[in-house]
Amino acid sequence: AQTVTQSQPEMSVQEAETVTLSCTYDTSESDYYLFWYKQPPSRQMILVIRQEAYKQQNATENRFSVNFQKAAKSFSLKISDSQLGDAAMYFCAYRSSSNTGKLIFGQGTTLQVKP
Amino acid sequence: DGGITQSPKYLFRKEGQNVTLSCEQNLNHDAMYWYRQDPGQGLRLIYYSQIVNDFQKGDIAEGYSVSREKKESFPLTVTSAQKNPTAFYLCASSLGPGQPNIQYFGAGTRLSVL
Repeated sequence: AQTVTQSQPEMSVQEAETVTLSCTYDTSESDYYLFWYKQPPSRQMILVIRQEAYKQQNATENRFSVNFQKAAKSFSLKISDSQLGDAAMYFCAYRSSSNTGKLIFGQGTTLQVKP
Repeated sequence: DGGITQSPKYLFRKEGQNVTLSCEQNLNHDAMYWYRQDPGQGLRLIYYSQIVNDFQKGDIAEGYSVSREKKESFPLTVTSAQKNPTAFYLCASSLGPGQPNIQYFGAGTRLSVL
């Protein structure tokens, strides 16, 4: 069975600085998808970024980028120029290429942004 | 506005009572999902449905039931058999189970036991 691990329960960053959130996963599949979701205090889950395992190029979305290391089964999220609105819980999630569409989530990392 | 609507926002259950959480989407999505979130843990899949009149158990289906009579609606019933129902419940939907469909989430329902 696939598992997702986020080893940093809490992180903090100074406003305008850069922070990296870690995620590792375990799978025997070669084709899959990885996601980072943000959950602000409102509790609404918002997609931040996604990565297809077959793509070698790391995904980027404005200030958010990932470092995808397939062999190491690592998928970290880098937030550049951190803003107060980035403060939230961040979840790493895995989805198999099978047809269920099921997401497997890590435990989450709470990010604090200090002004 | 297109989106996923969950209601109610807060729900209280008495011992031995069944309660139903509503999830409606107007995104024309085929697939819908129910997740449970406990403090300090990630989301865990309860049930999912890929098409009307069909649904499958997720990882923690015991004590829960669902129906999918309409494409737009996927209600979740927390039965009296669920001994620890206090949690935050999130509904999601996606175009379909195929890749690379993205799941979009509702705002959630917080369920507490009186």
